[in-house]
Amino acid sequence: GDSVTQTEGQVALSEEDFLTIHCNYSASGYPALFWYVQYPGEGPQFLFRASRDKEKGSSRGFEATYNKETTSFHLQKASVQESDSAVYYCALGKGGYQNFYFGKGTSLTVIP
Amino acid sequence: DAGVTQTPRHEVAEKGQTIILKCEPVSGHNDLFWYRQTKIQGLELLSYFRSKSLMEDGGAFKDRFKAEMLNSSFSTLKIQPTEPKDSAVYLCASSLRGVNTQYFGPGTRLLVL
Repeated sequence: GDSVTQTEGQVALSEEDFLTIHCNYSASGYPALFWYVQYPGEGPQFLFRASRDKEKGSSRGFEATYNKETTSFHLQKASVQESDSAVYYCALGKGGYQNFYFGKGTSLTVIP
Repeated sequence: DAGVTQTPRHEVAEKGQTIILKCEPVSGHNDLFWYRQTKIQGLELLSYFRSKSLMEDGGAFKDRFKAEMLNSSFSTLKIQPTEPKDSAVYLCASSLRGVNTQYFGPGTRLLVL
């Protein structure tokens, strides 16, 4: 079945470090791919999405490029800040809600 | 525009009680979702409404969980009777039909003793 696999567990970086959180998907066709961010005490917030091969999504300095060949949508940011500390979710949507899957989440801690 | 609103933000219940969680979606959104979030299982879909019609009633959750959409701008999730394993964050999300992007509320943190 369709699924999303992302970097597991926790990632700890220092401020101004480069961030990569890996996200790989398994699905036929061209699913829409999403990144969400969740801060403590809040619900997940939509960050951005991409729907076509080689399409780049971006927001707040974060970006990811849809890669159908490698079935990936890795989240990157050039220089993280302490305020980026949160849980990041990769998600896949296809053909309506019935095929909407969230990854398990990656907890990012940025040390000042 | 106001985002998704959920009340209460926190709820403490005794085992066996009935609790009702409330959600107001983004104005104009057609689809409404209820999720349960735990550290172990992550995000699990409980219910899904499209234009007030129940499309998904949560499979394994149907037994004690009942979601209703009273009108296009208000939904409730009833858990009856509550059990300690129901302790989790319950999230409501809404989206425009056909767009896929879901917008989440802040969640209700439920603790069942």
